[in-house]
Amino acid sequence: DAGITQSPRHKVTETGTPVTLRCHQTENHRYMYWYRQDPGHGLRLIHYSYGVKDTDKGEVSDGYSVSRSKTEDFLLTLESATSSQTSVYFCAISAPGASGRETQYFGPGTRLLVL
Amino acid sequence: GNSVTQMEGPVTLSEEAFLTINCTYTATGYPSLFWYVQYPGEGLQLLLKATKADDKGSNKGFEATYRKETTSFHLEKGSVQVSDSAVYFCALWGSGGSNYKLTFGKGTLLTVNP
Repeated sequence: DAGITQSPRHKVTETGTPVTLRCHQTENHRYMYWYRQDPGHGLRLIHYSYGVKDTDKGEVSDGYSVSRSKTEDFLLTLESATSSQTSVYFCAISAPGASGRETQYFGPGTRLLVL
Repeated sequence: GNSVTQMEGPVTLSEEAFLTINCTYTATGYPSLFWYVQYPGEGLQLLLKATKADDKGSNKGFEATYRKETTSFHLEKGSVQVSDSAVYFCALWGSGGSNYKLTFGKGTLLTVNP
């Protein structure tokens, strides 16, 4: 199994509070991703990173920001949580190169409930 | 843009039954195709992949063939087990420009009864 951990695994928070989720990898992979999983939508990409301090938006990035100051850590921040951000969040990593990038390995997920 | 359509579930089968989960895609160029599996309470795991037309991906008794003429990548297994109960996601990795990302289908829940 790829060495990917996410913290916290579960979180309950209130509307309007900031929340930060952490993804940590031990594989030294260049690419890291944040997805959210919602019933009826599958997985949707929030943000991704292609290197330290290099990030870009995915298809559902509004209300989220990310940071990557070290290869191994990729943080997802909800600046002011809303109930629509209640979801399961997954981090993924992939290796560089044309064939490496396309194969992604997923963390165990963080279940977030915004009240 | 790219899109993936997979059969809606849930799918309920008896042990040792034959499984097919349909997946079709829309993409430009020559995407790579994937099946991921998610067991209850866990993250997604790569089940199999195919990177070019007519390739067959296989793993743990599951198979899928990349059919460019029908833009399909259907997942099959000849004899399912209770332990195969999970959600299955079809996905594609686009080629070229802004298509360098995984696009997922909505997932199909499979329940296998003893």
